[in-house]
Amino acid sequence: KAGVTQTPRYLIKTRGQQVTLSCSPISGHRSVSWYQQTPGQGLQFLFEYFSETQRNKGNFPGRFSGRQFSNSRSEMNVSTLELGDSALYLCASSQGQNFARSNYGYTFGSGTRLTVV
Amino acid sequence: DQQVKQNSPSLSVQEGRISILNCDYTNSMFDYFLWYKKYPAEGPTFLISISSIKDKNEDGRFTVFLNKSAKHLSLHIVPSQPGDSAVYFCAASASPQGAQKLVFGQGTRLTINP
Repeated sequence: KAGVTQTPRYLIKTRGQQVTLSCSPISGHRSVSWYQQTPGQGLQFLFEYFSETQRNKGNFPGRFSGRQFSNSRSEMNVSTLELGDSALYLCASSQGQNFARSNYGYTFGSGTRLTVV
Repeated sequence: DQQVKQNSPSLSVQEGRISILNCDYTNSMFDYFLWYKKYPAEGPTFLISISSIKDKNEDGRFTVFLNKSAKHLSLHIVPSQPGDSAVYFCAASASPQGAQKLVFGQGTRLTINP
């Protein structure tokens, strides 16, 4: 079955612009989570959506927002881009159950590499 | 405030030997732990996990050990193979109710030398 698809793979934007990233989860997965990866910081949790509702939110400013559609596809938006927003943005999908009961972790996409100049 | 720490940015191991990757955490509410492997230009791939009710979980060449009193977990790979060269992330969850939020460490780059 198809994996998690993120588009686009690469983006270059200018400071002050806004950007929208897309994530299509594995068929049947209802939970989509977003992470930011920067060198030395590991992966930092942005937010998680389940059945079109934001269930969890990380410690990022309000410039970072997201949404999920009825087909479970999710988008992430960053407004007023700053140089420090340059990172690899990863989304991950799962069935949405408790990790321990599902006995497996997320399935990640390959990410969108955002460069802000 | 780094709740999950991988203090070794890199590790080099000879092929066939044991690789041991370490991870420490500070939040006693974490009850599920996972290891991911990441190759360049790819997303992380789930490797193995362990619940806080266990102290060991094994899957083929990979074994994860959990020491709750020390708030420490480790991933053992034996024998190490060249294809194991990647960045390894440990992650922890404190969401037993199902919310999907993981706290990741900074990663350890493992290099397996032939």
